[in-house]
Amino acid sequence: AQSVTQPDIHITVSEGASLELRCNYSYGATPYLFWYVQSPGQGLQLLLKYFSGDTLVQGIKGFEAEFKRSQSSFNLRKPSVHWSDAAEYFCAVQAAGGFKTIFGAGTRLFVKA
Amino acid sequence: SQTIHQWPATLVQPVGSPLSLECTVEGTSNPNLYWYRQAAGRGLQLLFYSVGIGQISSEVPQNLSASRPQDRQFILSSKKLLLSDSGFYLCAWSKRGPGELFFGEGSRLTVL
Repeated sequence: AQSVTQPDIHITVSEGASLELRCNYSYGATPYLFWYVQSPGQGLQLLLKYFSGDTLVQGIKGFEAEFKRSQSSFNLRKPSVHWSDAAEYFCAVQAAGGFKTIFGAGTRLFVKA
Repeated sequence: SQTIHQWPATLVQPVGSPLSLECTVEGTSNPNLYWYRQAAGRGLQLLFYSVGIGQISSEVPQNLSASRPQDRQFILSSKKLLLSDSGFYLCAWSKRGPGELFFGEGSRLTVL
């Protein structure tokens, strides 16, 4: 069965510092991978996705993620965090059939001035 | 462009009362539709998905049900709410095949 692990429940970074959010997945084949962001009380917005090809993918708001098959990881990065990046971030995996998307538990990002 | 509407945004209901949350999608046809529930610190749990009118797949046994009476309408229901049904419910849609989900703004349900 598919599963997604986000080992960090919450992370605090200083504004302007770099950020890396970890994501590990379990799936028999190469899955489709996603990162979403959620502001409090809101729905989720797609940051980026990986289906195939270049393992470094660029997303919106200056985010990028790297797919590493050998580590079953899809970590999210941003070189310089802004206060507006404070939110909850979800990694997700989708099976080849595309019917089900499984989400990790999320990582809440706090940004300090 | 496509939009998704979900309502009500907030709902406070007594234990044992019925529930109806509604979701509609505009600007697309034949979407896959989904209901997720979000509990604090537990990510999103897939409750139901639908690939067509009247076609509902349930992921988690519970006292909730879903229906899709029209192509772009998805309804989440319960006949008798439990305290454990409290949470944040999210409707989403996707195109056929692999791809991202597009989420509604969510419905906050509190069962007292």
